[in-house]
Amino acid sequence: DAGVTQSPTHLIKTRGQQVTLRCSPKSGHDTVSWYQQALGQGPQFIFQYYEEEERQRGNFPDRFSGHQFPNYSSELNVNALLLGDSALYLCASSLEGRGNYEQYFGPGTRLTVT
Amino acid sequence: DAKTTQPPSMDCAEGRAANLPCNHSTISGNEYVYWYRQIHSQGPQYIIHGLKNNETNEMASLIITEDRKSSTLILPHATLRDTAVYYCIVRLSPYSTGTASKLTFGTGTRLQVTL
Repeated sequence: DAGVTQSPTHLIKTRGQQVTLRCSPKSGHDTVSWYQQALGQGPQFIFQYYEEEERQRGNFPDRFSGHQFPNYSSELNVNALLLGDSALYLCASSLEGRGNYEQYFGPGTRLTVT
Repeated sequence: DAKTTQPPSMDCAEGRAANLPCNHSTISGNEYVYWYRQIHSQGPQYIIHGLKNNETNEMASLIITEDRKSSTLILPHATLRDTAVYYCIVRLSPYSTGTASKLTFGTGTRLQVTL
């Protein structure tokens, strides 16, 4: 049973560029949450997708957007990259349609903005 | 979500029990205590959760005080592989929907297990 997978594992971008990160949830899971983890800090909630819609959003600017596909996979897009966007981006999946709300995390994508 | 307070770091000898404390004095009656850990360069991993009774699973035990204002995660026989950052999180029922399901992480406790 494959767990949560994320791609790419590492990414280097330049300020002002745009980036897309991808996440495939654990088999059978229907909800995807994205977190940003700066060095030395705990993960911070960005947003959550369920039934292809953004259901909840943390304190992140509109430069951060996402999408969920019919197969429950998800993308995180960040526009106009800033140096401060350098972080580990974590995807977590859960199954909320059946009362199981534990979140399973992927290994993350390490984004470096130069 | 209620705020949690954890010591920034702890050491534990391999084979001994690791007891990680967490204060959550503003916890509400319908909020659960969750523990996750994050091994270096990996995503957080769920360990255990509880409401008011002590809980045990194959990974750890969770002891919640009677007033629910604090809890302790116990790793009964710590190994080097338990070296990680441990996060104590308070959140609403796992059976709530929507906004209840996000996790609010603090900075956690860095546990170093040594020989």
